[in-house]
Amino acid sequence: DVKVTQSSRYLVKRTGEKVFLECVQDMDHENMFWYRQDPGLGLRLIYFSYDVKMKEKGDIPEGYSVSREKKERFSLILESASTNQTSMYLCASSFWAGGRETQYFGPGTRLLVL
Amino acid sequence: AQTVTQSQPEMSVQEAETVTLSCTYDTSENNYYLFWYKQPPSRQMILVIRQEAYKQQNATENRFSVNFQKAAKSFSLKISDSQLGDTAMYFCAFMKHRSPGANSKLTFGKGITLSVRP
Repeated sequence: DVKVTQSSRYLVKRTGEKVFLECVQDMDHENMFWYRQDPGLGLRLIYFSYDVKMKEKGDIPEGYSVSREKKERFSLILESASTNQTSMYLCASSFWAGGRETQYFGPGTRLLVL
Repeated sequence: AQTVTQSQPEMSVQEAETVTLSCTYDTSENNYYLFWYKQPPSRQMILVIRQEAYKQQNATENRFSVNFQKAAKSFSLKISDSQLGDTAMYFCAFMKHRSPGANSKLTFGKGITLSVRP
């Protein structure tokens, strides 16, 4: 089974802190994604990466950056956390297999910024 | 750009009954994929079912089936013999068809909360 893990289930940070959210997948997937999930808004894509050191902006990249130094690990960075970044963050990974691409999700990190 | 609309925020169903969750989408693409994802209260999102747009036959996975109407851009999920474990948030999602090396991403609807009553 594909396993996508996230470093923390719950995180509390102060405004202005630098925050790192880590995601690791164990299936050698090319693609990795970071979403945030907010009530009434569904999932919105922040950034994604289709290869090591490659990244592309999603729909809401402002206030975030990412890092992918190794294929299995994709980090989301909040350079200076703000209260409007309080949210659930979901990581996902996928690979392309003849058109049958499926995203596999981690358990999520619930971030509270005070 | 693609959009996915789930207009019902919440639904409730009695255990063992059948329920249908609605989803519509808008796209100018001809080749694409549609998905239903389930997110139980424990929060791990899992794939329920997928449909390739080029296939006319509706996808089925055990108690889960879809009604895919390409011309109407409608993609509903039917859950038969509902079980308490089906209680979850359900998301409809769209992905453009892509070739190897190209990029693709999922576009999600806002989700619907389904409660199964004992």
